[in-house]
Amino acid sequence: EDKVVQSPLSLVVHEGDTVTLNCSYEVTNFRSLLWYKQEKKAPTFLFMLTSSGIEKKSGRLSSILDKKELSSILNITATQTGDSAIYLCAVDSNYKLTFGKGTLLTVNP
Amino acid sequence: DVKVTQSSRYLVKRTGEKVFLECVQDMDHENMFWYRQDPGLGLRLIYFSYDVKMKEKGDIPEGYSVSREKKERFSLILESASTNQTSMYLCASTGGETYEQYFGPGTRLTVT
Repeated sequence: EDKVVQSPLSLVVHEGDTVTLNCSYEVTNFRSLLWYKQEKKAPTFLFMLTSSGIEKKSGRLSSILDKKELSSILNITATQTGDSAIYLCAVDSNYKLTFGKGTLLTVNP
Repeated sequence: DVKVTQSSRYLVKRTGEKVFLECVQDMDHENMFWYRQDPGLGLRLIYFSYDVKMKEKGDIPEGYSVSREKKERFSLILESASTNQTSMYLCASTGGETYEQYFGPGTRLTVT
């Protein structure tokens, strides 16, 4: 059975802090790992990672995949209150996504 | 932009009722998915479909069925709704070479 584990489950930081969210997986036939941000609606896509060691970056967010360690991290630098959300990690195995339970990030002013 | 729409944002049904949740995508995607999302459990796959009239069970198909008569439409059916099916239901689609899933806005279903 495919498995995706995220840590921590929740995190509270102050504006300006840097955070690192973790995702580890055990799946058959890995195709890609995806990160989503979910506020009070449906998840929105952040990154898709398929190759180890190549960092994807978008503004203050970045992510990298380590296929040897079967894990990925999502970094957010200089956090803002608008970054408060649930961050979801999902792994595509045979075109089917398995999601982790998410990390609830709260950024306080 | 890909657009995935769901028929209702909020729905309240009684135990034992038959419930239909509709999802439509406008990007000619082959693959469509139904998930439910519950606090502490994350997103869980109920059913998915690779093509018209094709369906595959996900991780939690019990109590649900699906229908895909047209490529753009994927319906989730609760034959006899129960209170433990109270949840947020999310539809998604994907197609072509990308694995990115596009989500609908969700339907919050309450079964009383």
